[in-house]
Amino acid sequence: QKEVEQNSGPLSVPEGAIASLNCTYSDRGSQSFFWYRQYSGKSPELIMFIYSNGDKEDGRFTAQLNKASQYVSLLIRDSQPSDSATYLCAVNDPEYGNKLVFGAGTILRVKS
Amino acid sequence: DAGVTQSPTHLIKTRGQQVTLRCSPISGHKSVSWYQQVLGQGPQFIFQYYEKEERGRGNFPDRFSARQFPNYSSELNVNALLLGDSALYLCASSFRVRGSYEQYFGPGTRLTVT
Repeated sequence: QKEVEQNSGPLSVPEGAIASLNCTYSDRGSQSFFWYRQYSGKSPELIMFIYSNGDKEDGRFTAQLNKASQYVSLLIRDSQPSDSATYLCAVNDPEYGNKLVFGAGTILRVKS
Repeated sequence: DAGVTQSPTHLIKTRGQQVTLRCSPISGHKSVSWYQQVLGQGPQFIFQYYEKEERGRGNFPDRFSARQFPNYSSELNVNALLLGDSALYLCASSFRVRGSYEQYFGPGTRLTVT
C-alpha cells in the first residue's frame, strides 16, 4: 500500500521564522510531488509542486525533493500568522497518473 | 477564470438514503477526480474521469459511483448512506503538464449522515 507520512504536529514557530515541513513517501516510482495548504473548514489549495530533485522556490516557499531518500520538504520563510494552517503533502500514484496519495497533514501555527 | 465549482455546499442525509454531488471543472480541464476527506485525515482518492471515461478507482465500495458529462462536469453518487460516509467530498480539476497533473480542488461538499 502506497503511503505518505507526515508529522501531524502542531509545529509552532514565531512570526518571521522559517517553518520546515517534512514528508516521506513509500513508492519509488512516484514522479510528482505537491504541497497543499488547507485552512480549517476549507478545501486544500495547491501552493507548490516539484518534479525534479533539488529545490524549487516560489516567493516565500521552497520545495525540496530528494528521490533517493524518498523525502520532500516545504520551507516557509518569514512565516506569518496567516500561514497557520494544515499543510498536506501529496504524491502521485505511478499506476494512475492522476491519482494523488496524501499524507494526513502537518498543523502549522505561527505565533505573533 | 472561474475555479472548480461544487454543489451543494452542505448536505444532511439520513442513513440508507442516496446522495448526488456535482462538480464543474476549470474551463479547459478535461479531467475530474473525486476525493473523500474525513476529519483529521488527508483526502482519499475515490474516482478519476478523463474525457467521460473512468481512469481510476480507489478502495471504495460499489455504493460509490460517478460519471462525467460531455461538458466535463461530473457527478458523484453514493447509495445506501452509512454514518461513516460523513465527510468533506472534494472534486479536483486537472490538466496535464510535462507528464504530470496539477490538481486544483473545489470548495467541497460537506456531507453529514445522521
